[in-house]
Amino acid sequence: GQNIDQPTEMTATEGAIVQINCTYQTSGFNGLFWYQQHAGEAPTFLSYNVLDGLEEKGRFSSFLSRSKGYSYLLLKELQMKDSASYLCAVMDSNYQLIWGAGTKLIIKP
Amino acid sequence: DTEVTQTPKHLVMGMTNKKSLKCEQHMGHRAMYWYKQKAKKPPELMFVYSYEKLSINESVPSRFSPECPNSSLLNLHLHALQPEDSALYLCASSQDGSSGANVLTFGAGSRLTVL
Repeated sequence: GQNIDQPTEMTATEGAIVQINCTYQTSGFNGLFWYQQHAGEAPTFLSYNVLDGLEEKGRFSSFLSRSKGYSYLLLKELQMKDSASYLCAVMDSNYQLIWGAGTKLIIKP
Repeated sequence: DTEVTQTPKHLVMGMTNKKSLKCEQHMGHRAMYWYKQKAKKPPELMFVYSYEKLSINESVPSRFSPECPNSSLLNLHLHALQPEDSALYLCASSQDGSSGANVLTFGAGSRLTVL
């Protein structure tokens, strides 16, 4: 079966750093995506990894290890507006997105 | 234009009503998607159109009927829905449906309530 695991909820402090992990087991692999979704809004694209390593984009970075079936999203200098759900999704061998259940990130002042 | 536009934003309908959700994009994307999302759950794929042809139907009940009139428009026709169909319906588009870096751009969603 296909499975993506990520923590249900995390809490962090404004100005700090948080790492959201995602592990996956899928039928094939054509890349891993991270999306941000604020409550009641549509998901917005954050990052795409298809090769091992770290991709940095401003305050957000995403890491992939294909051999371990593992990714993380690193958020630095946290701001209150970063409070949202973060969805990990893997594109399988049929180019279909398999979604994790999402991690709700709560930022406290 | 880098947006996917969905209308209406909110819809309340009875179980005997017929209504439609509409989605439009002008990014030249050739794949368009309908997703259903319940609270605190990830999006659930319903349909995929690729080059205006239905390529994926994830065993969706026939009370949901998709239509792709042209490469920019996607409709979802609703008939005889059940209260459990109440959810956020998300439209998305991507350059095509069969490449790796297939980033989905989502619309803001249509929040549907079935009474």
